Amino acid sequence: DAGITQSPRHKVTETGTPVTLRCHQTENHRYMYWYRQDPGHGLRLIHYSYGVKDTDKGEVSDGYSVSRSKTEDFLLTLESATSSQTSVYFCAISDIAEPLYGYTFGSGTRLTVV
Amino acid sequence: AQSVAQPEDQVNVAEGNPLTVKCTYSVSGNPYLFWYVQYPNRGLQFLLKYITGDNLVKGSYGFEAEFNKSQTSFHLKKPSALVSDSALYFCAVRDIPGGSYIPTFGRGTSLIVHP
Repeated sequence: DAGITQSPRHKVTETGTPVTLRCHQTENHRYMYWYRQDPGHGLRLIHYSYGVKDTDKGEVSDGYSVSRSKTEDFLLTLESATSSQTSVYFCAISDIAEPLYGYTFGSGTRLTVV
Repeated sequence: AQSVAQPEDQVNVAEGNPLTVKCTYSVSGNPYLFWYVQYPNRGLQFLLKYITGDNLVKGSYGFEAEFNKSQTSFHLKKPSALVSDSALYFCAVRDIPGGSYIPTFGRGTSLIVHP
C-alpha cells in the first residue's frame, strides 16, 4: 500500500525470543497504530502513537511494547514471544485523529511463534 | 463503551445478485460508522463512513451502507455482486462524544461471490 511499509512480511521465531516489527511511512502522518488480526477476533488494537515519543496502549497491549523516535517509524516489540502472539500484524496511519477517508493500512506481517 | 457485531462469519451470494453484509453497533452517544474491505494478503482499505446526515452512504466500488438508528444497524449493500467483491469486510464504530477517537472493529465477514 502506498506510503506505508511493514517489515518483515513474514517471520518465524522461537518462543521466548524478542521480536521487533517495523512500520515505516512516507506520508508524514502524525498518527500510527498497531493491530493484530486473528480469526474470530477480527482486528484488535495493540498500541498507538499520536506523535513522536507519544504512545498509548490499546485493548491487547500485554506482552508488547512500542517506540516512535521519529515520525516515519513505529516499532512494535514482543519482549519474549509466546505462541499466543502468532498472528498477522497490521500497521495503520492517519494524518488526523478523524481522517476523512479512514486509516491507511500496511500489507501486514505474518508472525509465527514456534 | 463502543462495540460492533457482525453476526455472519460468511455470506455467500451469486454473481449479479444483490448482497448485504450485516453490522450492528452499540454506543452510549451517537455513532460514527465505517466499512473496510480486505482482499487476500492485503491490508484493510476504507470503503465508506457515516457521520451524520443522509442515512444512505455511498462509497467505493459501488458499495453503499444504510444507517438505521432505531435498529442500531449499518448494513453494507451492493445491488449487483461481482466475483471480485469476494473479500473480508469489517465494520467499525466510534462513540461520539466520549468514546475513544479510535474505532472499534468487528470480527469481519467473509463475502464469497460465486460465478
